[in-house]
Amino acid sequence: DGGITQSPKYLFRKEGQNVTLSCEQNLNHDAMYWYRQDPGQGLRLIYYSQIVNDFQKGDIAEGYSVSREKKESFPLTVTSAQKNPTAFYLCASTYRGPNEKLFFGSGTQLSVL
Amino acid sequence: DAKTTQPPSMDCAEGRAANLPCNHSTISGNEYVYWYRQIHSQGPQYIIHGLKNNETNEMASLIITEDRKSSTLILPHATLRDTAVYYCIVRILNGGATNKLIFGTGTLLAVQP
Repeated sequence: DGGITQSPKYLFRKEGQNVTLSCEQNLNHDAMYWYRQDPGQGLRLIYYSQIVNDFQKGDIAEGYSVSREKKESFPLTVTSAQKNPTAFYLCASTYRGPNEKLFFGSGTQLSVL
Repeated sequence: DAKTTQPPSMDCAEGRAANLPCNHSTISGNEYVYWYRQIHSQGPQYIIHGLKNNETNEMASLIITEDRKSSTLILPHATLRDTAVYYCIVRILNGGATNKLIFGTGTLLAVQP
C-alpha cells in the first residue's frame, strides 16, 4: 500500500541531545513538509522540500535541521538548540502542482525527559 | 502570503448540515482552496479542494464565492465521527512552483447527539 510513514510514534529526548524523526513516503511525491503542532494549536511549518537536495525554511525553522538526499525520505533533526521541543510532529508529502492533495503521516509525539 | 481566517469553534446537531466558513480575502487568482480535518492526535485528512467552481465529493461540498474571498465547507449530514478540527488552507505559489502550505488554527466542529 502506498503511503507516508513516520517513526517512531513516541520519542523522548534528554536535555542537550539531538534526535531525528523519520519520514518515508512511497507515493513518488516530489514535495515533503514538516509541521509542528502544540496542544490545542494549529500546524506550523518547520521545513519543506520540493526536490531532492533542496529545502527551504518554514516559519519556525530555528533549532531544527533537515536533509533530502532521497526522494522518498525527509528526516527531521531536533537539535539541542530547540529549547522547547515537546510537540506533535507531522510529516506530509504531495506532488508539486497546485491541484494536488497533501498526504500526512500519523505523527510523532516528542517529549523531553 | 494568502492566509485564512476561520471561527475557532462551532456546534452542529447530529444529522443536520454543518456549514464551516473560511475567509481568504488575499487569495491570488491561481491559488486553490483546500480543506482538511484532524481528529485528535492523528494526521490531518484531506476533504476537498477547489479553484473557482463549487465542488462536491462523497465527504462534503465546497462553495466558493464569486470573488473567491471566502468559501464554505458543507457536511450535509453530520455524524458524531465528524467531530474534528477543520482547516481551510490555500496553496501559496512562489517562483512558479507550489510550495508553502500554511495552516491556520482551524475550526473545532463539535457534533452534538
